Amino acid sequence: GAGVSQSPRYKVAKRGQDVALRCDPISGHVSLFWYQQALGQGPEFLTYFQNEAQLDKSGLPSDRFFAERPEGSVSTLKIQRTQQEDSAVYLCASSPKRGGNYNEQFFGPGTRLTVL
Amino acid sequence: AQKITQTQPGMFVQEKEAVTLDCTYDTSDPSYGLFWYKQPSSGEMIFLIYQGSYDQQNATEGRYSLNFQKARKSANLVISASQLGDSAMYFCAMNPPFSSGSARQLTFGSGTQLTVLP
Repeated sequence: GAGVSQSPRYKVAKRGQDVALRCDPISGHVSLFWYQQALGQGPEFLTYFQNEAQLDKSGLPSDRFFAERPEGSVSTLKIQRTQQEDSAVYLCASSPKRGGNYNEQFFGPGTRLTVL
Repeated sequence: AQKITQTQPGMFVQEKEAVTLDCTYDTSDPSYGLFWYKQPSSGEMIFLIYQGSYDQQNATEGRYSLNFQKARKSANLVISASQLGDSAMYFCAMNPPFSSGSARQLTFGSGTQLTVLP
């Protein structure tokens, strides 16, 4: 089936390099989330899009992190001047619903970023 | 703010037996949703089960059931008849109530690593 896809699956960057992580949500899903998962921890919220609008970026750890979803489908998370503490798995999730108490999120396989 | 606590970093269970994974939560919202996800070594988060705060009955999905005790703020996951393929990391999560434009992001616990023994 056409689930959420992310690319690349693995990325190794040298400290100071810029990286771009891509997320293809399930077609038609309105909501898109980015999470950061450090080793041995649960995912932590980074940012949220409703269609093309970035409505919440309160979880972005610094101004080196930037996300966009210009046409309301594919999203890119960009990290500038990567640091070692940015090493983590970055998960993308999409959800079809805008309202109601039940909003199941469908997750992609994640991108494992390692900063050397 | 919402908080999820999972106090069991690791659990072992014999194949075909039942196991309970603990989850407690904290929120001031009267309305919320509770979720359990499974994360195998491949990394993808797989949705297992959902419980709404106003649901009168405990949620069940196949071999998974959620023991929801609202007064105690606990939402334990029960897996019956464990299988070797159940070995994975399990996360409890919650989201806040709906309001227009809000993210309603999931807040996750730290997870429990379940190992099913043959």
